[in-house]
Amino acid sequence: AAGVIQSPRHLIKEKRETATLKCYPIPRHDTVYWYQQGPGQDPQFLISFYEKMQSDKGSIPDRFSAQQFSDYHSELNMSSLELGDSALYFCASSLYVRTSGRRAYNEQFFGPGTRLTVL
Amino acid sequence: AQSVTQLDSQVPVFEEAPVELRCNYSSSVSVYLFWYVQYPNQGLQLLLKYLSGSTLVKGINGFEAEFNKSQTSFHLRKPSVHISDTAEYFCAVSGSGGYQKVTFGIGTKLQVIP
Repeated sequence: AAGVIQSPRHLIKEKRETATLKCYPIPRHDTVYWYQQGPGQDPQFLISFYEKMQSDKGSIPDRFSAQQFSDYHSELNMSSLELGDSALYFCASSLYVRTSGRRAYNEQFFGPGTRLTVL
Repeated sequence: AQSVTQLDSQVPVFEEAPVELRCNYSSSVSVYLFWYVQYPNQGLQLLLKYLSGSTLVKGINGFEAEFNKSQTSFHLRKPSVHISDTAEYFCAVSGSGGYQKVTFGIGTKLQVIP
C-alpha cells in the first residue's frame, strides 16, 4: 500500500539559509499535518491543512510557512534557519471522514521524516 | 486541550520478561489514545489505538494496552519482550472527530537486556 512520502530524507543547511520540505500524502487523503521532533524530544505539532486550507496551528515559528497544493501535497518552508531548527520533521496524512451523530476517526499515517541539520 | 504524561523516561527489562509502560492522559473531552514506536533513526509506527468499545486493545508485535477511564490511564504491556523491542515508545492522544492533531508524550525508552 502507498505510504506518505517525504523529500528529501536528509537535508543539511547553513545558518540563515532557507529550506523546503515536501510531503506527498497517501492517495485520496485530504489532510496533512506537520510535526517537529528535536533531538531526544517528543514530536511537536506544527501545523495542519485540510482541503488546502489551514486547519490548525501549533508551535510553528513565524520564520516557517506551509501550504497545501491542489494535488494535496504540502510544503514546509523554513527561512533564516537557526541551529535549533535541527530536527526530524514528520508529515502525516489522513482522510477526513464525516459521520453524522457519531465521532469520526481519521487515522494519521506518518511519513518516514526529513532529518534537517543546520550547521 | 489534551495532554499525556509518560511516567518513565527509561525502562530496562531483561529479555523474555514482561514489561509495562505507563501513560496517563488529561482531557476534558472524549479522546482517542495511541501508542507509537520509534526505532533508532526511523519514523513513527502505530502500535495500537483506542477509539471506543473494548477497553483492552491489542496491537502489533504482541503489545496490548488497557484504557482505564476512571484512572485516565492507557498503559502498554507485553508479556515477554524481545531484543528487537528495544525502541522508544510514545503515548499519544487526539481529540475525536475531524482533523485533530496528535499530542505526544515525552517518550519512554525501552531497553531490552539480553
